[in-house]
Amino acid sequence: DGGITQSPKYLFRKEGQNVTLSCEQNLNHDAMYWYRQDPGQGLRLIYYSQIVNDFQKGDIAEGYSVSREKKESFPLTVTSAQKNPTAFYLCATSPGQGYIQYFGAGTRLSVL
Amino acid sequence: QQPVQSPQAVILREGEDAVINCSSSKALYSVHWYRQKHGEAPVFLMILLKGGEQKGHDKISASFNEKKQQSSLYLTASQLSYSGTYFCGTETSSGDKLTFGTGTRLAVRP
Repeated sequence: DGGITQSPKYLFRKEGQNVTLSCEQNLNHDAMYWYRQDPGQGLRLIYYSQIVNDFQKGDIAEGYSVSREKKESFPLTVTSAQKNPTAFYLCATSPGQGYIQYFGAGTRLSVL
Repeated sequence: QQPVQSPQAVILREGEDAVINCSSSKALYSVHWYRQKHGEAPVFLMILLKGGEQKGHDKISASFNEKKQQSSLYLTASQLSYSGTYFCGTETSSGDKLTFGTGTRLAVRP
């Protein structure tokens, strides 16, 4: 079954805790992206990666970290430095810049 | 820079038409249109590339005016399933990454 898998679907974070959101794809796409969506808002880019072992900051990277050790995987860590992490997080992939982006089902993160 | 979408929200009766606009202050290479249902991931509708082309499928079509740096999405004879939030995403001719607008909420009533 081809596609993008995000897990977990719901996640709760305690204050001071780091949490990691998973994004796995079997579409063989080179580029992967993480977006944050707040209620009633658009999609804001956190980090993106166009190739394995390389990634760039997006518009709102502070308080987040990523890695891209494998083509299929692009996990996002929400660190304790992110003071307002409650949001809907979306992972996307594409064959490269300028191509269609395909989205995973998302992870909804809340703070306990 | 984020593209500007208008209107912010629109309510339609089933069968009515709607137009959603997306404009940028920068020269554009491409415009992407997505629809998102509440609590779900955005779903790709269409992509328009530099060249002023118009695309469409079923009763949803879009145009791209490169000179005016804007795109419009046309929804004809709306159906209940068209309800959701529509986002445009733009890529500039200078190679900037895809940037999304804040969305247009569309509600279709029976």
